[in-house]
Amino acid sequence: QKEVEQDPGPLSVPEGAIVSLNCTYSNSAFQYFMWYRQYSRKGPELLMYTYSSGNKEDGRFTAQVDKSSKYISLFIRDSQPSDSATYLCAMNRNQGGKLIFGQGTELSVKP
Amino acid sequence: GAVVSQHPSRVICKSGTSVKIECRSLDFQATTMFWYRQFPKQSLMLMATSNEGSKATYEQGVEKDKFLINHASLTLSTLTVTSAHPEDSSFYICSARTTLHTDTQYFGPGTRLTVL
Repeated sequence: QKEVEQDPGPLSVPEGAIVSLNCTYSNSAFQYFMWYRQYSRKGPELLMYTYSSGNKEDGRFTAQVDKSSKYISLFIRDSQPSDSATYLCAMNRNQGGKLIFGQGTELSVKP
Repeated sequence: GAVVSQHPSRVICKSGTSVKIECRSLDFQATTMFWYRQFPKQSLMLMATSNEGSKATYEQGVEKDKFLINHASLTLSTLTVTSAHPEDSSFYICSARTTLHTDTQYFGPGTRLTVL
């Protein structure tokens, strides 16, 4: 079993839809949770960073962490075609620790 | 802030040659840099962790004599793929961790290596 599970998709939604992306994990020691966006043939770009459980909002993006369920989510409101990319969740146990990535979910937002 | 560059962005080489990839943190000092490999439609696979001024720590299964890593300064790390073969063709991405935010990594744009 992988430490981090993420549905690879692809996920296709119409422009303006609310997108929900999720990851589950097995190691309860993870404390730091991140979401990265990766456009085709580019490096990942840090979108959201969350420590421990709770919500964090940044513009159209909301990250949620539920440590009791070992489940994290990224919500994208009013999705745009420019949001089309692969979204990777990542997490680690402590500051400076090795990042463990999910497989990535490929998202396509259709105009 | 927190910009990481990689050079070259794309390289094609013949089998048996060596290729060097540079990773630079442009606006911050990076005590630690990481090298990843990514196959199409797959996630990032950590190859090694590089600390400035010391030897790199390689992940299990990664040949350290094949993938030479040097981190000579706080802003530059290099990955040299020695005696490259077609199976080394991949997307190589570096990341850097700042001294201010040790719990996040900032990624470079990646280097696509094709070995003929």
